[in-house]
Amino acid sequence: AQSVSQHNHHVILSEAASLELGCNYSYGGTVNLFWYVQYPGQHLQLLLKYFSGDPLVKGIKGFEAEFIKSKFSFNLRKPSVQWSDTAEYFCALGGSQGNLIFGKGTKLSVKP
Amino acid sequence: DAMVIQNPRYQVTQFGKPVTLSCSQTLNHNVMYWYQQKSSQAPKLLFHYYDKDFNNEADTPDNFQSRRPNTSFCFLDIRSPGLGDAAMYLCATSRAGTGTDTQYFGPGTRLTVL
Repeated sequence: AQSVSQHNHHVILSEAASLELGCNYSYGGTVNLFWYVQYPGQHLQLLLKYFSGDPLVKGIKGFEAEFIKSKFSFNLRKPSVQWSDTAEYFCALGGSQGNLIFGKGTKLSVKP
Repeated sequence: DAMVIQNPRYQVTQFGKPVTLSCSQTLNHNVMYWYQQKSSQAPKLLFHYYDKDFNNEADTPDNFQSRRPNTSFCFLDIRSPGLGDAAMYLCATSRAGTGTDTQYFGPGTRLTVL
């Protein structure tokens, strides 16, 4: 069965700190992986996605993620976070019918 | 701006009283999805439409139904809401419904069941 796990429920950082949010998936076939972000009071929106090619994917707002097949991981990174990055971050696996299998999400709080 | 709109944003209903949630899109996408997200849990797919073809997830309770009268609109009907159905309901669309497709989400409807 396909599944996604996110290790951290809530991460608190100071501005300018580096960020890494963990995501592991379980699926034996071709993977399509996504990171979505939900800013306070807003809808889910795509940060970045991977489906083939370079395993290091760059997204919006300075985020990037690295697909490591041997570790079944797709961790999200940002070298220096800003207060405006405060949000909830969801890792998701693309299902065969185009549906998304989400992780439980990680809340990021950035202290100014 | 093209977008996915959900109405209402907040819905309160009584135990057992039918309720309908609405989703509309201006993206002209082929696929529309309904997800249920309970507190501190991952969004979970209930069902989706590819054009007029309805696809129900195996574990979606019969209490949940959906209608898509045209490309732009999709409705989620909960026939007899229970306390356990209180959740955020998310509507999403995608162009082609493939595994690589980006999904575009609405703001969600938060359902409270009294």
